[in-house]
Amino acid sequence: SQQGEEDPQALSIQEGENATMNCSYKTSINNLQWYRQNSGRGLVHLILIRSNEREKHSGRLRVTLDTSKKSSSLLITASRAADTASYFCATPTDSWGKFQFGAGTQVVVTP
Amino acid sequence: DGGITQSPKYLFRKEGQNVTLSCEQNLNHDAMYWYRQDPGQGLRLIYYSQIVNDFQKGDIAEGYSVSREKKESFPLTVTSAQKNPTAFYLCASTLRPAGGNEQFFGPGTRLTVL
Repeated sequence: SQQGEEDPQALSIQEGENATMNCSYKTSINNLQWYRQNSGRGLVHLILIRSNEREKHSGRLRVTLDTSKKSSSLLITASRAADTASYFCATPTDSWGKFQFGAGTQVVVTP
Repeated sequence: DGGITQSPKYLFRKEGQNVTLSCEQNLNHDAMYWYRQDPGQGLRLIYYSQIVNDFQKGDIAEGYSVSREKKESFPLTVTSAQKNPTAFYLCASTLRPAGGNEQFFGPGTRLTVL
């Protein structure tokens, strides 16, 4: 099974609303990363949160990490149509650079 | 501009043919990765390389091969042994293989087997 699994699979909201998605993982990690993918494109790194951090902000993004529950959440505030994309969490699965990506949350923001 | 390039963007292959996907980076990154993405799915790791002349199998290496003769280049060959090669292929790199480093992705190659 996937190391990182996002929830929900899909999310549809209107511009100005907030979007929240969650990621669960199975093994201990030293960091967790979130990426965005626009349709048919490569992934773009959004934010990295380390295991000793509980919350991190970047612009309209807020990421939380709860290592006791092995879960993370990504909040996009005041969403825009340009936020329409798939969002993935990624966790390292070994100390040699191997990463595991979840199946992603597809977010659609309508004007 | 620094970044990762992949070529071609679209590739069509007949069954039974081997094809090679190119991935080049000028970021001076040590580690490089190949992922496969199927429609509506996440990324699955095919191969990764932490250093020149070394690489490791990922979760779905069967039917694929790679080489890492230069730091900048990590080509992926999809062989005829790969039973269902139609997919979107993404190459990525990171500064160091270990530790909390972000991955930089190329634009991808969409491979279709006719």
